[in-house]
Amino acid sequence: EAGVVQSPRYKIIEKKQPVAFWCNPISGHNTLYWYLQNLGQGPELLIRYENEEAVDDSQLPKDRFSAERLKGVDSTLKIQPAELGDSAVYLCASSRAGGFGYTFGSGTRLTVV
Amino acid sequence: QKEVEQNSGPLSVPEGAIASLNCTYSDRGSQSFFWYRQYSGKSPELIMSIYSNGDKEDGRFTAQLNKASQYVSLLIRDSQPSDSATYLCAGRNRDDKIIFGKGTRLHILP
Repeated sequence: EAGVVQSPRYKIIEKKQPVAFWCNPISGHNTLYWYLQNLGQGPELLIRYENEEAVDDSQLPKDRFSAERLKGVDSTLKIQPAELGDSAVYLCASSRAGGFGYTFGSGTRLTVV
Repeated sequence: QKEVEQNSGPLSVPEGAIASLNCTYSDRGSQSFFWYRQYSGKSPELIMSIYSNGDKEDGRFTAQLNKASQYVSLLIRDSQPSDSATYLCAGRNRDDKIIFGKGTRLHILP
């Protein structure tokens, strides 16, 4: 089975510019997550989708971050405008329903300069 | 207090020895727990999950869960240099949210 696919792998942008990340989950995985991971830290949840519905976005900074999951498959995470503190690795993960662990994608390493 | 706590390490273990990684959690409503391995520059990879008190073995890995003590551990037998990585402990809390610890860096010494 193909894994979770993310793109781009790396992104360097200037502060105040917009940026978008894309994720394609494992086929049949209804639950999709976006996590942020800073160096030396564990992943921190930004948003969780069950199919098309965002069921937990309590940690998403909604003033500058937005996400969508059209048709309950692919998802896009956007930051506008980016700030220096947004430099991190953005991880997408997916899982089947029922409390199983996640499968993570390779992540997007964002550098804001 | 963070919901999932781990010693950041580094933990250095001689090759062939047993590596013991520990984790505590604060939410008594947490029901399932996971261990992820993360190599430098890579994304986390699920290696063990455990849902019931006691031990769960998979090859060289054994996960242990003690819900009364709110304690989860991972034992790696016959440690190999390829086991050198950061190990992330995670628990699914009563809000159905998986919370990760900061991870423990493990170094296997040849």
